Amino acid sequence: AQRVTQPEKLLSVFKGAPVELKCNYSYSGSPELFWYVQYSRQRLQLLLRHISRESIKGFTADLNKGETSFHLKKPFAQEEDSAMYYCALRVRNSGGSNYKLTFGKGTLLTVNP
Amino acid sequence: ETGVTQTPRHLVMGMTNKKSLKCEQHLGHNAMYWYKQSAKKPLELMFVYSLEERVENNSVPSRFSPECPNSSHLFLHLHTLQPEDSALYLCASSQDGGEQETQYFGPGTRLLVL
Repeated sequence: AQRVTQPEKLLSVFKGAPVELKCNYSYSGSPELFWYVQYSRQRLQLLLRHISRESIKGFTADLNKGETSFHLKKPFAQEEDSAMYYCALRVRNSGGSNYKLTFGKGTLLTVNP
Repeated sequence: ETGVTQTPRHLVMGMTNKKSLKCEQHLGHNAMYWYKQSAKKPLELMFVYSLEERVENNSVPSRFSPECPNSSHLFLHLHTLQPEDSALYLCASSQDGGEQETQYFGPGTRLLVL
């Protein structure tokens, strides 16, 4: 069965410091990975997906199949980056007719001034 | 309102009550999802509907009963719940079948079972 692990429940950095939120996965197939973010009092929303190889709000994430990781990085954190971040793995359901997301437990990032 | 909406936003109910959560998506998607978000657990997928058919039921107790009357609406009927069912219930939708499929989430219904 697939699993997503985010080892850090809480992460606190100062403004301007680099930040890395760790995500490891276990899945026997070809993984599709996402980062979702939930700002205070806002809904969960997609931040980025590995297949797009994009940078959103200065964040990047590289899929490392050898290490089964998809860590989220930003070189210079901003206060507005403070939020809950969830790593998610997308797989096909048992019937093969639909996709489903498996989420990690989330990491609460706090960027201090 | 655009996107995914959920009502009510907050709900307090006793263990003997019957209530329903409603989700509506205005994105033209063909798949809808119910998730449970508890304080100390990952987001848990409860049900998946694709083209109005239930395609996933992740061992959810029968006191939770989903209903999808059409592709835009999803309900979660609740009866004889337990205090441990208190959580944030999130609805999401997506356009199934696309490689760039993204799930869009509603704001959630915060449920408290007394």
